[in-house]
Amino acid sequence: SQELEQSPQSLIVQEGKNLTINCTSSKTLYGLYWYKQKYGEGLIFLMMLQKGGEEKSHEKITAKLDEKKQQSSLHITASQPSHAGIYLCGADMKTPGGYQKVTFGTGTKLQVIP
Amino acid sequence: SQTIHQWPATLVQPVGSPLSLECTVEGTSNPNLYWYRQAAGRGLQLLFYSVGIGQISSEVPQNLSASRPQDRQFILSSKKLLLSDSGFYLCAWGRDKRWPLHFGNGTRLTVT
Repeated sequence: SQELEQSPQSLIVQEGKNLTINCTSSKTLYGLYWYKQKYGEGLIFLMMLQKGGEEKSHEKITAKLDEKKQQSSLHITASQPSHAGIYLCGADMKTPGGYQKVTFGTGTKLQVIP
Repeated sequence: SQTIHQWPATLVQPVGSPLSLECTVEGTSNPNLYWYRQAAGRGLQLLFYSVGIGQISSEVPQNLSASRPQDRQFILSSKKLLLSDSGFYLCAWGRDKRWPLHFGNGTRLTVT
């Protein structure tokens, strides 16, 4: 089965600093999703990447998928307290029936200190 | 627009009691539906998924079961809860591969 490893597991940064979270797969990624979760709440979809080398941005968050499609990174520029939370990457898995199943990494807990 | 509702938000149940968590989706038809569990310090574990009414696939052997009595309704059940069933349960809906899943707000279940 496909496994996703995220690093770091946790991160504490000063407000205004940049940071990067990585997501590495043991297999080729065909659909890679980034989500944000606040404690005790559901996951909020951030971005989806499909093609090798693809890069997407939303406000101060940029996500990239490498050319080999086995690693993705999430970069936050000039972090703010509102960026705090748990960031999870998810990937589509192959299924016998061709249906969608998404597996997730263990998450990166981000704290932003004002 | 599509919305997903999940309830209750929190639940405290004694060991051996039954469980029923409900999830409904609005604004779309024939969605794929999912139940995930998130344990403390661990990632999301897929428990069940469904591609249609009455069609349930189980990912891990466990004390739980799922049902889909209507197109946009997904229910997670147990006849007798175990302590190990405690966790944060999330319902999600999706369409096809390379389409993001959208999650409910989750249910925090504590089995005492």
